[in-house]
Amino acid sequence: QVQLKESGPGLVQPSETLSLTCTVSGFSLTSYGVNWVRQPPGKGLEWMGTIWNDGSTDYNSALKSRLSISRDTSKSQVFLKMNSLQTEDTAIYLCARGYPLFDYWGQGVMVTVSS
Amino acid sequence: DIQMTQSPSSMSASLGDTVTITCLASQDIGNYLSWYQQKPGKSPKLMIYGATNLEDGVPSRFSGSRSGSDYSLTINSLGYDDEGIYHCHQYYEYPLTFGSGTKLEIK
Repeated sequence: QVQLKESGPGLVQPSETLSLTCTVSGFSLTSYGVNWVRQPPGKGLEWMGTIWNDGSTDYNSALKSRLSISRDTSKSQVFLKMNSLQTEDTAIYLCARGYPLFDYWGQGVMVTVSS
Repeated sequence: DIQMTQSPSSMSASLGDTVTITCLASQDIGNYLSWYQQKPGKSPKLMIYGATNLEDGVPSRFSGSRSGSDYSLTINSLGYDDEGIYHCHQYYEYPLTFGSGTKLEIK
């Protein structure tokens, strides 16, 4: 069945770079787009960006200067890298399949930005 | 960016009640509006898309409607399983944006 699972560090120092991995199963990255969405504590969801089935990407303009999404189709993995992290980047980071409607989601990974 | 103003931010209702959650779009989004349910500790689940269309497997107790730029999610015959956070989401244009969420508690 379709599954997505995020992994990465739970704690990141301010000004450092966040690296997360979304490992998918049950579908091919060459057939579906995958998105990164984040949820700060007590706040709403924020769409961060999409990597399309052809490997092209689109980013939320608010994050575009700091954000990079890539993939390794042979490993069924999608990667997120975001630099210059600040405390306001503390959030649950989720990957989700599909665009513009998200039909399958990962469980999310909590990332805290703190020294 | 399109702002989605969602209300209320939280609500409490009793078993069997009917509740309505609303989202106001800052500009025209047509019917490009979906609703997600997020149960405690879980990831969001798509419930309604195209403002009024029920996703497969979603109980008919859930319904979506639109009046101009106001979008509503109505849940009839509330059960404990309906507890969670509900998010509206516009997918009319980039960047995709969400409402701030409504936390629904069942008394």
